[in-house]
Amino acid sequence: AQTVTQSQPEMSVQEAETVTLSCTYDTSESNYYLFWYKQPPSRQMILVIRQEAYKQQNATENRFSVNFQKAAKSFSLKISDSQLGDTAMYFCAFMNPSNNNDMRFGAGTRLTVKP
Amino acid sequence: DTEVTQTPKHLVMGMTNKKSLKCEQHMGHRAMYWYKQKAKKPPELMFVYSYEKLSINESVPSRFSPECPNSSLLNLHLHALQPEDSALYLCASSPGLGSQETQYFGPGTRLLVL
Repeated sequence: AQTVTQSQPEMSVQEAETVTLSCTYDTSESNYYLFWYKQPPSRQMILVIRQEAYKQQNATENRFSVNFQKAAKSFSLKISDSQLGDTAMYFCAFMNPSNNNDMRFGAGTRLTVKP
Repeated sequence: DTEVTQTPKHLVMGMTNKKSLKCEQHMGHRAMYWYKQKAKKPPELMFVYSYEKLSINESVPSRFSPECPNSSLLNLHLHALQPEDSALYLCASSPGLGSQETQYFGPGTRLLVL
């Protein structure tokens, strides 16, 4: 079974600064996908970024980028130029496409961006 | 358009009531999912439908009954729920099952069982 671990329950960052959220996972699969979702107080789950395990290049989406270390099973999220709207719960997720897209989430990291 | 809609937004029900949650998407997606999210916890997968057929049932109690009448709609029928079933119920959809299939979530239904 796959497990996802987010070791930082809460983090805070000053507006315009950079912050990195950590995520590790455990799996015996070779083909899988990793995601970061954010969940603001409205509770809507919003996709932030996606990484395919077979790709060595780290995914980037505007101010969001990941550091994917496959051998170490690590998948951290870097948010640059933090904005007040980035305040949310961030979930790291592992998806197994060979098992009907079964997706497992980490416990989440609550990020607060301070003005 | 990556919109998944869910109704109702909020639901309060007694333990003897029967109610239904609805989820709809018009993105042409062929896979749909139900998740349950307790307060301050991550979402947990309940059911997966692919091409209107149940693919995964994560050992969910029978008081939760999913239904996929067509590729755009997903229902969750509720009967004889317990107070511990109070949670946010999230629906998601993806183009299909397999590689490169990102799941897009609806806003959820907040359920309170009295």
